[in-house]
Amino acid sequence: SQTIHQWPATLVQPVGSPLSLECTVEGTSNPNLYWYRQAAGRGLQLLFYSVGIGQISSEVPQNLSASRPQDRQFILSSKKLLLSDSGFYLCAWISGSWGEQYFGPGTRLTVT
Amino acid sequence: EDQVTQSPEALRLQEGESSSLNCSYTVSGLRGLFWYRQDPGKGPEFLFTLYSAGEEKEKERLKATLTKKESFLHITAPKPEDSATYLCAVQATYFNKFYFGSGTKLNVKP
Repeated sequence: SQTIHQWPATLVQPVGSPLSLECTVEGTSNPNLYWYRQAAGRGLQLLFYSVGIGQISSEVPQNLSASRPQDRQFILSSKKLLLSDSGFYLCAWISGSWGEQYFGPGTRLTVT
Repeated sequence: EDQVTQSPEALRLQEGESSSLNCSYTVSGLRGLFWYRQDPGKGPEFLFTLYSAGEEKEKERLKATLTKKESFLHITAPKPEDSATYLCAVQATYFNKFYFGSGTKLNVKP
């Protein structure tokens, strides 16, 4: 069966510090991968998606970036965090290019 | 512009009091409409996929329906454990992206 992992689960970082969030998927190959951010009481905002290794599409031009160094690994990064980067970050995958998404447990990021 | 709107934002029900959640969408070619359940502090959990108008799916006390412009999530005789935020999402035909609504927060009181 397929499993998706995210870490860390919780992170508190000062403004201006770097960020690295990791997402890995097990039990499938060549998934489409997605990064979302969810503000408190709000819906999901798509940040990045990837259809393959090294292929990243950006939906929100901010101080965030994403990389996919391996087939089942997706990384969200920032060189300098802003207060507005606080939120709940979710990674998701689908098999192929369409169908239901399966989400990881999320990372709660607080920028102070 | 492709978008998804959910209503109401919040819904409080007594245990056993049936109701419906609405998801209206505008998208240039619907590939699929998806319902998710999200508990506080957790990732969304997949519930249903609907592909074409007239389609219905059921799971326990939940039933999802789809028309050309909206979807309904019917909750029959809800229990307190059904309390959660329910999210709706659509995928357009020619894109790999998904558009999410802001969700309906359901609270079922015993």
